[in-house]
Amino acid sequence: GEDVEQSLFLSVREGDSSVINCTYTDSSSTYLYWYKQEPGAGLQLLTYIFSNMDMKQDQRLTVLLNKKDKHLSLRIADTQTGDSAIYFCAEKLEGGSYIPTFGRGTSLIVHP
Amino acid sequence: DTAVSQTPKYLVTQMGNDKSIKCEQNLGHDTMYWYKQDSKKFLKIMFSYNNKELIINETVPNRFSPKSPDKAHLNLHINSLELGDSAVYFCASSQVPGSTEAFFGQGTRLTVV
Repeated sequence: GEDVEQSLFLSVREGDSSVINCTYTDSSSTYLYWYKQEPGAGLQLLTYIFSNMDMKQDQRLTVLLNKKDKHLSLRIADTQTGDSAIYFCAEKLEGGSYIPTFGRGTSLIVHP
Repeated sequence: DTAVSQTPKYLVTQMGNDKSIKCEQNLGHDTMYWYKQDSKKFLKIMFSYNNKELIINETVPNRFSPKSPDKAHLNLHINSLELGDSAVYFCASSQVPGSTEAFFGQGTRLTVV
């Protein structure tokens, strides 16, 4: 299986909350990231959480980390059409390669 | 000003050709990367350079040859292109190896026909 897994699609109505989930396999993750990729653009770092934290909030974004279950989620409050994009979860491991391992991305579709 | 810029944005070419993709960053970063994103959006590291020196080379065919003339540039040359090379190639940079954040270019969509 893949090291970082995400569901491929999520469809929500404008104004609702979106929750994008991610699971990872390596317990030695140090940083966990959420990147956003808009159509035709590169990846942009949205937020990240250090592995000793449970939660991080930044305006409409809330990141929750359950280290026991190796589960990371990104909640977007009051989702707007401009939030439509692909969201990538990534982990960076302690030691070894410092290159983050990315999931396949979740396409978030926001409809009116 | 674009922080990490790649050219071209789109590249359509025939099998067997040789092509190059250029990348430049104006952030003063020491480290640059090439990633490949396949049709299923899977993003995989290919190479990483730090101060013009190769530090990471994942299992990439030797038809792919990165070149870093200076630390602000990392170009990717591909020989004898194959259909399976069709993908989006992203350049990225970070301040140093292992920095918390990497900055990505817009990507180059390579289509081999």
